[in-house]
Amino acid sequence: EVQLVESGGGLVQPGGSLRLACAASEFTFSSDWMRWVRQAPGKGLEWVANINPDGSEKNYMDSVKGRFTISRDNAKNSLYLQMNSLRAEDTAVYYCAREKYRSWGQGTLVTVSS
Amino acid sequence: QAVVTQEPSLTVSPGGTVTLTCGSSTGAVTSGHYPYWFQQKPGQAPTTLIYETVNKHSWTPARFSASLFGGKAALTLSGAQPEDEADYYCLLSYGATGVFGGGTKLTVL
Repeated sequence: EVQLVESGGGLVQPGGSLRLACAASEFTFSSDWMRWVRQAPGKGLEWVANINPDGSEKNYMDSVKGRFTISRDNAKNSLYLQMNSLRAEDTAVYYCAREKYRSWGQGTLVTVSS
Repeated sequence: QAVVTQEPSLTVSPGGTVTLTCGSSTGAVTSGHYPYWFQQKPGQAPTTLIYETVNKHSWTPARFSASLFGGKAALTLSGAQPEDEADYYCLLSYGATGVFGGGTKLTVL
């Protein structure tokens, strides 16, 4: 069974940093585009970033450009999201999803608050 | 950034039919936006119902179908079941990035 398991969420102060990870299993991770999607409490889904299979192409939503970096390690079947200069409005559950959104993780909660 | 619009809420009777739509602030939605449709129930991660305009996954109930109609992407539920009560989101691609709609809260009542 395909699995995506996010980790790394938690409470961080405004201006701080956090690194999320997504561990993938039971599919050929190195062949898939991967992405991060977030959902603020009680709000809708928001597309955050994606990355191509070999990591050479990365795309971001406007509000996280220059602050967030998506990356992957195909040898470890893992996807990452480095989040810097965090703001209160980045508070959300962060999901990773595979190509064609065939599978989603269960999400990890990031709370930005002092 | 483009804005993707959905009906905030809709109600359908059990066994009834309802169509949810997904529009784009940039103009007509086409297959080039590769529309996706997702279902999300409270406390759960989303699940993907439709990918790239009309394609279903193996787990997508047959009562769901999708199309392009009137310049929008559309998701039609025929024969609504109580378990279809959920939030539904569409996603459109704009080049290499994506934008979700605000979601439609579907009530089966």
